[in-house]
Amino acid sequence: ELKVEQNPLFLSMQEGKNYTIYCNYSTTSDRLYWYRQDPGKSLESLFVLLSNGAVKQEGRLMASLDTKARLSTLHITAAVHDLSATYFCAGDSNSGYALNFGKGTSLLVTP
Amino acid sequence: ETGVTQSPTHLIKTRGQQVTLRCSSQSGHNTVSWYQQALGQGPQFIFQYYREEENGRGNFPPRFSGLQFPNYSSELNVNALELDDSALYLCASNPGTGKTEAFFGQGTRLTVV
Repeated sequence: ELKVEQNPLFLSMQEGKNYTIYCNYSTTSDRLYWYRQDPGKSLESLFVLLSNGAVKQEGRLMASLDTKARLSTLHITAAVHDLSATYFCAGDSNSGYALNFGKGTSLLVTP
Repeated sequence: ETGVTQSPTHLIKTRGQQVTLRCSSQSGHNTVSWYQQALGQGPQFIFQYYREEENGRGNFPPRFSGLQFPNYSSELNVNALELDDSALYLCASNPGTGKTEAFFGQGTRLTVV
């Protein structure tokens, strides 16, 4: 079974700073996903990474995928308060029909 | 806005009762998946339905069951509710079997007392 580990699980950062969230996974995964979840809300799709070396950027967030290292990163540039949320990475399970999620990284951006 | 809608949004049930949660999938999507998200955890895959048949199942007991209808809407049924079943239940619409990109509904918050 595909296992997904994120770190850190909790992150408090100041506005304007940069930081990276790491996502390691245990076995081959065809795709790697990043989702955002606000408290009490559903999951919002941020990025889908399809191949080794894939890099996608949206605003202050940039995601990358290294399939050889089984590692994806979510980089936050010049954080703002609106980015406060929980971020999940997820990979395809070996079955091909389920997503296996990490435990999430709870991000708090403070003034 | 993903186009995936779930009902009800909140529900309180007593231990031992049965519950049915509903989901309408995004237009054009014929596959629906259900996930359970306990507080402070990532979502856990329950099962997936494709063309009205169960297409895959996670590590959940048989008292978790589902249905998919010809219009691709879906139900999640949980019998003999336990306190640990308290969670956010998320429905996800997929473009088609074998493609796991999921678009999530707003979820149903189930509390078992």
